[in-house]
Amino acid sequence: GAVVSQHPSWVICKSGTSVKIECRSLDFQATTMFWYRQFPKQSLMLMATSNEGSKATYEQGVEKDKFLINHASLTLSTLTVTSAHPEDSSFYICSAPPGGGSSYEQYFGPGTRLTVT
Amino acid sequence: GENVEQHPSTLSVQEGDSAVIKCTYSDSASNYFPWYKQELGKRPQLIIDIRSNVGEKKDQRIAVTLNKTAKHFSLHITETQPEDSAVYFCAASSIQTGANNLFFGTGTRLTVIP
Repeated sequence: GAVVSQHPSWVICKSGTSVKIECRSLDFQATTMFWYRQFPKQSLMLMATSNEGSKATYEQGVEKDKFLINHASLTLSTLTVTSAHPEDSSFYICSAPPGGGSSYEQYFGPGTRLTVT
Repeated sequence: GENVEQHPSTLSVQEGDSAVIKCTYSDSASNYFPWYKQELGKRPQLIIDIRSNVGEKKDQRIAVTLNKTAKHFSLHITETQPEDSAVYFCAASSIQTGANNLFFGTGTRLTVIP
């Protein structure tokens, strides 16, 4: 089946620094990718939709200047958490529909655990 | 936007018994309803899904039912086993041009007692 990878799998950074998380589709092209955030013992909350070749679409309440998304190619989307603070510590997961935006099914990456100290 | 509610938040069953998890959604335009199993620190894994043109779908011990009129859908796991213990999430999505955002329920922690 379709495979989505994320890098890094975990990262610890100091408050005020920026962290970049990569999401790659390994065996299919993804014109659309989704970024989710999951706090401990909570559900996945959609943060934004990453669109190849155009601006990302952010969900209400998500600061676009803080969570920068770049979808530079058909297999790579990056999420940069800028000026990270301890409250940004979370599990960040990306997903991609293997059939493009019209595909029902989505494949999830393994997630990136971010800890801001 | 879509609002998905899920109940119960925790569920304990004896091995071999059945488990039922229920979800409701708010957006009548939603037409795709997947269920995911997530183990601690790992990615959600799709276990079954149903589209709005179907009322029921079954895959071995797992089944999902959908009532479009009432806007609710349920996951049924029969003959539960300890390895079924995990957090289960329902989700709803509306396939639109260029996007199919998934909105997740709050999750159910299922514990199967040996």
